[in-house]
Amino acid sequence: DAKTTQPTSMDCAEGRAANLPCNHSTISGNEYVYWYRQIHSQGPQYIIHGLKNNETNEMASLIITEDRKSSTLILPHATLRDTAVYYCIAWTSAGGTSYGKLTFGQGTILTVHP
Amino acid sequence: DTEVTQTPKHLVMGMTNKKSLKCEQHMGHRAMYWYKQKAKKPPELMFVYSYEKLSINESVPSRFSPECPNSSLLNLHLHALQPEDSALYLCASSQETAVRVIQYFGAGTRLSVL
Repeated sequence: DAKTTQPTSMDCAEGRAANLPCNHSTISGNEYVYWYRQIHSQGPQYIIHGLKNNETNEMASLIITEDRKSSTLILPHATLRDTAVYYCIAWTSAGGTSYGKLTFGQGTILTVHP
Repeated sequence: DTEVTQTPKHLVMGMTNKKSLKCEQHMGHRAMYWYKQKAKKPPELMFVYSYEKLSINESVPSRFSPECPNSSLLNLHLHALQPEDSALYLCASSQETAVRVIQYFGAGTRLSVL
């Protein structure tokens, strides 16, 4: 799987948009970009994923550059409950199966301030 | 219901004890996973089960013994553990047949080995 690089930590004011970057310059054509987050003392939680096109769901938006070498996760109106570690993962199926081997990097610690 | 339930939430065991961690899901998922997470580190994959068969073992020591008695249940049997095995143990599940797979995680079992 492609290696991803994320900033170690970021801060955001409550109510503002949080933009979390991820670099995946070695991503291959069949690798999806997945975002998970882990709130303290909980298991990781799926946020969003995409291949080429930008994606949006009720939690966030994912912007993938045209060359697919980087992406940005956008939390449009951050709240205190969004304080967590955010993981960007480049994922593909394992050995022809449809389940995936998620390889978590160090992630970005996002702290949302009042 | 997208819940993965792990029991117990906390476990303290001695190095000569035998204990088991339990994970249960009722989403009809056919792939289940064990991850290990040390403090301030990302989760690391240990095992993957697909259709109740072990598909991936990430070179985990034999003192960790996984078992998948049925499609809803995943166990991790622990024996002769070392203090360095103290960690948060996370279980996850996903649809085997889905092309774009989302893994759903439990809250984890926090294990302390004395």
